[in-house]
Amino acid sequence: DSGVTQTPKHLITATGQRVTLRCSPRSGDLSVYWYQQSLDQGLQFLIQYYNGEERAKGNILERFSAQQFPDLHSELNLSSLELGDSALYFCASSVGGGSSQETQYFGPGTRLLVL
Amino acid sequence: AQSVAQPEDQVNVAEGNPLTVKCTYSVSGNPYLFWYVQYPNRGLQFLLKYITGDNLVKGSYGFEAEFNKSQTSFHLKKPSALVSDSALYFCAVRDPSNAGKSTFGDGTTLTVKP
Repeated sequence: DSGVTQTPKHLITATGQRVTLRCSPRSGDLSVYWYQQSLDQGLQFLIQYYNGEERAKGNILERFSAQQFPDLHSELNLSSLELGDSALYFCASSVGGGSSQETQYFGPGTRLLVL
Repeated sequence: AQSVAQPEDQVNVAEGNPLTVKCTYSVSGNPYLFWYVQYPNRGLQFLLKYITGDNLVKGSYGFEAEFNKSQTSFHLKKPSALVSDSALYFCAVRDPSNAGKSTFGDGTTLTVKP
């Protein structure tokens, strides 16, 4: 158990809908990262937050947004969902600002199915 | 731009035999390299990382990896494979100039047969 928690574990929704995925980092970790894992795209970095501020951005669609709250938990909002958004979404956390040396610890993921 | 290649989708070894999972990378500066393992329906677990220093890095569960700068490789190895090592393995690279962004390989499925 990495200490990173994600809810819900599974999510089934319809195209056009909006969902929110939640992540709680390990105790003491200030950075949260979001990743998307799909069969055709592999594991893709979406976005990183550090202590409430956006720190790095990857291949995140405009329909997706994230935020990190004062208690350091993070939410990933996915809107206008399409079939291709079906994937496993992982959250990871690290102690500091995400310097390249830091180890990221991954949560168990949220499996999203868009019908 | 940084990139990682795992040239083998699948690696099969017999229990007790040594295993190697290959990874090559491309990055503009000095790379920071990581290996993760993913078991079915689980998140990624950190195995080991190379930041600087000794080219041979030892990690969890008896795994080690060798950093080879001239060949831009970071192959994962284990002297004696276990059936329980069967899983999906990911290599990742970070460019120090782009701290937060990790680029992962496509993954290699390791199957260890009894």
